[in-house]
Amino acid sequence: DAKTTQPPSMDCAEGRAANLPCNHSTISGNEYVYWYRQIHSQGPQYIIHGLKNNETNEMASLIITEDRKSSTLILPHATLRDTAVYYCIVRVAAGNKLVFGAGTILRVKS
Amino acid sequence: NAGVTQTPKFQVLKTGQSMTLQCAQDMNHEYMSWYRQDPGMGLRLIHYSVGAGITDQGEVPNGYNVSRSTTEDFPLRLLSAAPSQTSVYFCASSYVGTGMEKLFFGSGTQLSVL
Repeated sequence: DAKTTQPPSMDCAEGRAANLPCNHSTISGNEYVYWYRQIHSQGPQYIIHGLKNNETNEMASLIITEDRKSSTLILPHATLRDTAVYYCIVRVAAGNKLVFGAGTILRVKS
Repeated sequence: NAGVTQTPKFQVLKTGQSMTLQCAQDMNHEYMSWYRQDPGMGLRLIHYSVGAGITDQGEVPNGYNVSRSTTEDFPLRLLSAAPSQTSVYFCASSYVGTGMEKLFFGSGTQLSVL
């Protein structure tokens, strides 16, 4: 599975959009981009995933560049409860294994 | 709607003791897995299973055993606990299909080995 690179931490003002970047320059054509988050020592929670088209659900939007070498997770209106570690993961469709990196600590501040 | 249930939530062991961490899911998921998370680090895959009777190793399998006799249960056994196994353990499950299925995680077991 391709390796991902994320900034170690980011701050965001409450009510503003949080944009979390992820680089995956070695991604293969059959690898999906997944985002999970982990709120203070709880189990990780699925947020969104995509292959090459932009995706949106009730939690977030995922923007994938045309060359698929990077992506951005967007939380449109961040709240204090969105403070968490956000993990960007790429994996092939044929397997369920997820390999987690260090992630990005997002701090939402009032 | 229980989802993925892990027991116990906390456990303290002495070096050399053995124990089993329990994981059960009620979603009829074929895939189940165990991760460990050390302080300030991401999750590392220990073992996983794609169905009853089938298990395989992840990134850090040494010192752990698993078996999958039913779809619902995937216990993790520590054969002879060591201080290096002090960690938080998470169990996760999902369907096995096209591969895009999301993982559901349990709430974790915090293990300390003295």
